[in-house]
Amino acid sequence: EPEVTQTPSHQVTQMGQEVILRCVPISNHLYFYWYRQILGQKVEFLVSFYNNEISEKSEIFDDQFSVERPDGSNFTLKIRSTKLEDSAMYFCASSLTSQYNEQFFGPGTRLTVL
Amino acid sequence: GQQVMQIPQYQHVQEGEDFTTYCNSSTTLSNIQWYKQRPGGHPVFLIQLVKSGEVKKQKRLTFQFGEAKKNSSLHITATQTTDVGTYFCAGESSGSRLTFGEGTQLTVNP
Repeated sequence: EPEVTQTPSHQVTQMGQEVILRCVPISNHLYFYWYRQILGQKVEFLVSFYNNEISEKSEIFDDQFSVERPDGSNFTLKIRSTKLEDSAMYFCASSLTSQYNEQFFGPGTRLTVL
Repeated sequence: GQQVMQIPQYQHVQEGEDFTTYCNSSTTLSNIQWYKQRPGGHPVFLIQLVKSGEVKKQKRLTFQFGEAKKNSSLHITATQTTDVGTYFCAGESSGSRLTFGEGTQLTVNP
């Protein structure tokens, strides 16, 4: 069964450093998403991406964040200058279409900012 | 902005007892989805409800969408230890953004 994959599974970084989280969505999916989940809390939407551009973003997704689809398979989330409060689990998801469609989540990347 | 509230936050049951979690949105939804997250895992899609008043069943799980499309519930009959996890509702109003509720963490005592 096709699945979303994410690398690395765990990333530890120093405050102020840049990190890039990588995702490979399901191959025939057209919509891609990033969510984050602070430990013990709910899943929060960050951004959705379609046709090589951001289609929607939340208040959390400020200028420190960017997304890119550098080739036909990868989808990345970059955090330019990490803060302590960026520590969370980051989930990538993809869906075949936009609304009314199941989103498939990857296993997540646990980001720890020291 | 849109808010989705979910209660209870925690539920402990004995195996065989029923379980219900409730979800309420501040705005009318186009659809609501339910996800299950096992401890240390990622959200896994369970079901989507689209129509007002819709009821769907998956074995021991029953999902309902309110008439006003602002609330929903998930009911599990005769819980099993494999039902352990956190159940999230997630609402879509416009666009593709999912707004998740806080989740209900279910523990089942054997």
